[in-house]
Amino acid sequence: GAVVSQHPSWVICKSGTSVKIECRSLDFQATTMFWYRQFPKQSLMLMATSNEGSKATYEQGVEKDKFLINHASLTLSTLTVTSAHPEDSSFYICSARDPGRGISGANVLTFGAGSRLTVL
Amino acid sequence: KQEVTQIPAALSVPEGENLVLNCSFTDSAIYNLQWFRQDPGKGLTSLLLIQSSQREQTSGRLNASLDKSSGRSTLYIAASQPGDSATYLCAVLDDKIIFGKGTRLHILP
Repeated sequence: GAVVSQHPSWVICKSGTSVKIECRSLDFQATTMFWYRQFPKQSLMLMATSNEGSKATYEQGVEKDKFLINHASLTLSTLTVTSAHPEDSSFYICSARDPGRGISGANVLTFGAGSRLTVL
Repeated sequence: KQEVTQIPAALSVPEGENLVLNCSFTDSAIYNLQWFRQDPGKGLTSLLLIQSSQREQTSGRLNASLDKSSGRSTLYIAASQPGDSATYLCAVLDDKIIFGKGTRLHILP
């Protein structure tokens, strides 16, 4: 079945540094990928929709200059947290839509295992 | 604006009991609804996916139903086991995926 890989699974960084998280679709081409953030005991919140070859669409309240999303290929989207601060510490999860799964599967999303960011 | 609500927020039941988790959504124009399991500090595991044209899906001890017109879904877990302890999330997909806040389930040995 479809597999989405996220890397790194956890990262600790100092305040003010930038961190890049990768989301890869391993056995399918994902024209659309989604990035979510989850704070402790909170639900997943959609941050942005990433479309291959075009600019990401950010949800209201998400700073596009702080959370840089690049979807340069059909199998890779990256999320860069720039100038990270302790309040950015969170669990970041990506998901990908596999358009090759036919009409019934076109709206099925496959999720990565998540990346836990801790900013000191 | 689509909103997804899950009740209860937390649930503890003795091992072996059957249980029902509830999910409601405000806009019935959805493509599908998914139930996920999330263990502490882990990513999501997809449990069941119900397309908008379907009314239920079953996998092992799990059964999920969907009533689009009333904006409700239930996840039924039969013969609960301690390994079922986790947070269960439901999510609906319209033009984007919206998650509920989850139900934290604890199965007592």
